[in-house]
Amino acid sequence: AQSVTQPDIHITVSEGASLELRCNYSYGATPYLFWYVQSPGQGLQLLLKYFSGDTLVQGIKGFEAEFKRSQSSFNLRKPSVHWSDAAEYFCAVGANYGQNFVFGPGTRLSVLP
Amino acid sequence: EADIYQTPRYLVIGTGKKITLECSQTMGHDKMYWYQQDPGMELHLIHYSYGVNSTEKGDLSSESTVSRIRTEHFPLTLESARPSHTSQYLCASSEYRVGGRSPLHFGNGTRLTVT
Repeated sequence: AQSVTQPDIHITVSEGASLELRCNYSYGATPYLFWYVQSPGQGLQLLLKYFSGDTLVQGIKGFEAEFKRSQSSFNLRKPSVHWSDAAEYFCAVGANYGQNFVFGPGTRLSVLP
Repeated sequence: EADIYQTPRYLVIGTGKKITLECSQTMGHDKMYWYQQDPGMELHLIHYSYGVNSTEKGDLSSESTVSRIRTEHFPLTLESARPSHTSQYLCASSEYRVGGRSPLHFGNGTRLTVT
Protein backbone atom coordinates (compact mmCIF):
# COMPACT_ATOMS: atom_id res chain seq x y z
CA ALA A 1 0.00 0.00 0.00
CA GLN A 2 1.06 3.54 -0.66
CA SER A 3 2.21 5.67 2.26
CA VAL A 4 3.76 9.08 2.77
CA THR A 5 5.75 10.26 5.76
CA GLN A 6 6.80 13.75 6.66
CA PRO A 7 9.24 13.36 9.54
CA ASP A 8 9.05 16.97 10.72
CA ILE A 9 5.79 18.01 12.37
CA HIS A 10 6.86 21.62 12.89
CA ILE A 11 9.80 23.62 11.53
CA THR A 12 10.77 27.18 12.42
CA VAL A 13 13.12 29.22 10.25
CA SER A 14 14.15 32.84 10.13
CA GLU A 15 13.03 35.00 7.27
CA GLY A 16 15.63 34.90 4.51
CA ALA A 17 16.97 31.52 5.57
CA SER A 18 16.85 28.47 3.34
CA LEU A 19 14.25 25.77 3.83
CA GLU A 20 14.02 22.05 3.24
CA LEU A 21 10.92 20.03 4.08
CA ARG A 22 11.29 16.28 3.98
CA CYS A 23 8.97 13.77 2.37
CA ASN A 24 9.41 10.02 2.04
CA TYR A 25 7.04 7.74 0.22
CA SER A 26 6.38 4.06 -0.14
CA TYR A 27 5.03 2.98 -3.49
CA GLY A 28 5.46 -0.07 -5.66
CA ALA A 29 5.77 1.64 -9.01
CA THR A 30 6.85 4.97 -10.43
CA PRO A 31 5.22 7.52 -8.16
CA TYR A 32 3.45 10.67 -9.10
CA LEU A 33 4.38 13.16 -6.39
CA PHE A 34 2.90 16.46 -5.31
CA TRP A 35 3.47 19.20 -2.76
CA TYR A 36 0.57 21.30 -1.52
CA VAL A 37 0.49 24.34 0.77
CA GLN A 38 -2.36 25.30 3.07
CA SER A 39 -2.65 28.72 4.65
CA PRO A 40 -4.71 28.97 7.85
CA GLY A 41 -8.41 28.53 7.22
CA GLN A 42 -7.92 27.83 3.53
CA GLY A 43 -7.95 24.90 1.16
CA LEU A 44 -4.82 23.32 -0.31
CA GLN A 45 -2.95 24.91 -3.19
CA LEU A 46 -0.73 22.90 -5.53
CA LEU A 47 2.93 24.01 -5.32
CA LEU A 48 4.49 21.55 -7.76
CA LYS A 49 4.29 18.06 -9.15
CA TYR A 50 6.59 15.34 -10.43
CA PHE A 51 5.60 12.78 -13.04
CA SER A 52 8.79 11.80 -14.86
CA GLY A 53 11.91 13.22 -16.47
CA ASP A 54 14.03 15.84 -14.77
CA THR A 55 14.19 14.98 -11.08
CA LEU A 56 14.38 18.62 -10.04
CA VAL A 57 11.03 20.30 -10.52
CA GLN A 58 10.19 23.95 -10.16
CA GLY A 59 6.97 25.19 -8.67
CA ILE A 60 5.19 28.36 -7.77
CA LYS A 61 6.32 30.90 -5.15
CA GLY A 62 10.00 30.05 -5.68
CA PHE A 63 9.74 26.46 -4.43
CA GLU A 64 11.47 23.47 -5.94
CA ALA A 65 11.58 19.77 -5.12
CA GLU A 66 13.95 16.97 -5.96
CA PHE A 67 12.90 13.39 -6.60
CA LYS A 68 15.41 10.80 -5.41
CA ARG A 69 14.31 7.30 -6.28
CA SER A 70 17.14 5.65 -4.34
CA GLN A 71 16.02 7.37 -1.15
CA SER A 72 12.27 7.30 -1.88
CA SER A 73 12.24 10.99 -1.15
CA PHE A 74 10.73 14.13 -2.63
CA ASN A 75 12.01 17.00 -0.49
CA LEU A 76 10.76 20.54 -0.92
CA ARG A 77 13.22 23.42 -0.90
CA LYS A 78 13.29 27.18 -1.04
CA PRO A 79 16.52 29.22 -0.98
CA SER A 80 15.12 32.20 0.93
CA VAL A 81 11.96 32.01 3.00
CA HIS A 82 9.49 34.90 3.21
CA TRP A 83 7.17 35.56 6.14
CA SER A 84 4.22 34.78 3.87
CA ASP A 85 5.48 31.19 3.47
CA ALA A 86 4.30 30.36 6.99
CA ALA A 87 1.71 27.63 6.40
CA GLU A 88 1.11 23.89 6.48
CA TYR A 89 2.81 21.85 3.77
CA PHE A 90 1.55 18.48 2.57
CA CYS A 91 3.34 15.92 0.43
CA ALA A 92 1.16 13.51 -1.55
CA VAL A 93 1.43 10.48 -3.79
CA GLY A 94 -0.90 10.35 -6.76
CA ALA A 95 -3.09 7.33 -7.13
CA ASN A 96 -3.27 4.77 -9.83
CA TYR A 97 -6.44 4.12 -11.75
CA GLY A 98 -9.27 3.52 -9.34
CA GLN A 99 -7.36 4.54 -6.25
CA ASN A 100 -7.04 7.77 -4.36
CA PHE A 101 -4.35 10.18 -3.29
CA VAL A 102 -2.32 9.48 -0.18
CA PHE A 103 -1.32 12.53 1.82
CA GLY A 104 1.41 12.87 4.40
CA PRO A 105 0.53 14.23 7.85
CA GLY A 106 1.84 17.69 7.01
CA THR A 107 4.65 19.93 8.24
CA ARG A 108 3.82 23.26 9.83
CA LEU A 109 6.26 26.01 8.90
CA SER A 110 6.74 29.04 11.13
CA VAL A 111 8.84 31.98 9.98
CA LEU A 112 10.60 34.28 12.45
CA PRO A 113 11.03 37.94 11.50
CA GLU B 1 -8.28 31.74 -8.38
CA ALA B 2 -10.84 29.21 -7.22
CA ASP B 3 -12.53 27.02 -9.80
CA ILE B 4 -14.08 24.97 -7.06
CA TYR B 5 -16.48 26.66 -4.72
CA GLN B 6 -17.68 25.67 -1.29
CA THR B 7 -20.50 27.25 0.66
CA PRO B 8 -20.89 28.22 3.36
CA ARG B 9 -17.37 29.14 4.47
CA TYR B 10 -18.36 29.02 8.12
CA LEU B 11 -21.36 27.37 9.74
CA VAL B 12 -22.37 27.24 13.38
CA ILE B 13 -25.34 25.01 14.04
CA GLY B 14 -27.06 23.28 16.91
CA THR B 15 -27.06 19.57 17.64
CA GLY B 16 -29.62 17.53 15.74
CA LYS B 17 -29.97 19.88 12.77
CA LYS B 18 -29.73 18.67 9.20
CA ILE B 19 -27.10 20.42 7.12
CA THR B 20 -25.85 20.33 3.56
CA LEU B 21 -22.41 21.55 2.57
CA GLU B 22 -22.28 22.65 -1.04
CA CYS B 23 -19.44 22.06 -3.48
CA SER B 24 -19.37 23.02 -7.15
CA GLN B 25 -16.62 23.01 -9.74
CA THR B 26 -16.45 24.62 -13.16
CA MET B 27 -13.57 22.58 -14.59
CA GLY B 28 -15.62 19.66 -15.89
CA HIS B 29 -13.72 17.24 -13.66
CA ASP B 30 -15.17 13.76 -13.37
CA LYS B 31 -13.73 12.87 -9.99
CA MET B 32 -14.68 14.71 -6.82
CA TYR B 33 -13.79 14.22 -3.16
CA TRP B 34 -14.67 15.26 0.35
CA TYR B 35 -11.94 15.41 2.99
CA GLN B 36 -12.33 16.05 6.70
CA GLN B 37 -9.55 17.93 8.48
CA ASP B 38 -9.31 18.85 12.13
CA PRO B 39 -7.22 21.99 12.89
CA GLY B 40 -3.53 21.39 12.29
CA MET B 41 -4.16 17.78 11.41
CA GLU B 42 -3.93 15.56 8.38
CA LEU B 43 -6.61 15.11 5.74
CA HIS B 44 -8.98 12.16 5.88
CA LEU B 45 -10.91 11.10 2.79
CA ILE B 46 -14.57 10.55 3.66
CA HIS B 47 -16.29 10.35 0.25
CA TYR B 48 -15.44 10.38 -3.42
CA SER B 49 -17.12 10.06 -6.77
CA TYR B 50 -15.95 8.93 -10.21
CA GLY B 51 -18.75 10.76 -11.98
CA VAL B 52 -22.50 11.21 -12.15
CA ASN B 53 -24.41 8.66 -10.04
CA SER B 54 -21.17 7.33 -8.57
CA THR B 55 -20.42 7.70 -4.86
CA GLU B 56 -17.95 5.79 -2.70
CA LYS B 57 -16.97 5.86 0.95
CA GLY B 58 -13.46 6.93 1.77
CA ASP B 59 -10.90 5.75 4.25
CA LEU B 60 -12.47 7.47 7.26
CA SER B 61 -15.89 6.33 8.35
CA SER B 62 -18.35 9.19 8.31
CA GLU B 63 -22.01 9.60 9.18
CA SER B 64 -22.41 11.99 6.28
CA THR B 65 -23.82 11.15 2.85
CA VAL B 66 -23.12 12.54 -0.60
CA SER B 67 -24.83 12.64 -3.98
CA ARG B 68 -23.64 13.27 -7.53
CA ILE B 69 -26.55 14.11 -9.79
CA ARG B 70 -24.62 16.60 -11.90
CA THR B 71 -20.95 16.53 -12.85
CA GLU B 72 -20.26 19.92 -11.34
CA HIS B 73 -22.07 19.46 -8.03
CA PHE B 74 -21.12 17.21 -5.08
CA PRO B 75 -23.01 18.15 -1.91
CA LEU B 76 -22.40 16.56 1.49
CA THR B 77 -25.26 16.09 3.95
CA LEU B 78 -25.38 15.43 7.66
CA GLU B 79 -28.87 14.30 8.69
CA SER B 80 -28.37 15.05 12.37
CA ALA B 81 -25.36 17.13 13.32
CA ARG B 82 -23.43 16.34 16.50
CA PRO B 83 -20.54 18.11 18.25
CA SER B 84 -18.22 15.33 17.05
CA HIS B 85 -18.87 16.57 13.49
CA THR B 86 -17.13 19.84 14.27
CA SER B 87 -14.31 20.06 11.76
CA GLN B 88 -13.19 21.60 8.48
CA TYR B 89 -14.57 19.95 5.35
CA LEU B 90 -12.60 20.30 2.13
CA CYS B 91 -13.98 19.53 -1.31
CA ALA B 92 -11.66 18.69 -4.19
CA SER B 93 -11.84 17.59 -7.80
CA SER B 94 -9.55 16.08 -10.41
CA GLU B 95 -9.56 14.78 -13.94
CA TYR B 96 -9.99 11.05 -14.15
CA ARG B 97 -6.80 9.83 -15.77
CA VAL B 98 -5.13 6.48 -15.70
CA GLY B 99 -1.97 6.60 -13.63
CA GLY B 100 -2.82 9.24 -11.04
CA ARG B 101 -1.27 12.17 -12.85
CA SER B 102 -4.08 14.59 -12.34
CA PRO B 103 -3.57 16.83 -9.29
CA LEU B 104 -6.36 17.65 -6.90
CA HIS B 105 -7.92 21.09 -6.98
CA PHE B 106 -9.30 22.17 -3.61
CA GLY B 107 -11.99 24.55 -2.51
CA ASN B 108 -11.44 26.89 0.42
CA GLY B 109 -13.30 24.63 2.80
CA THR B 110 -16.28 24.86 5.14
CA ARG B 111 -15.53 25.20 8.82
CA LEU B 112 -18.39 23.55 10.69
CA THR B 113 -19.06 24.03 14.39
CA VAL B 114 -21.84 22.03 16.04
CA THR B 115 -22.89 23.33 19.44
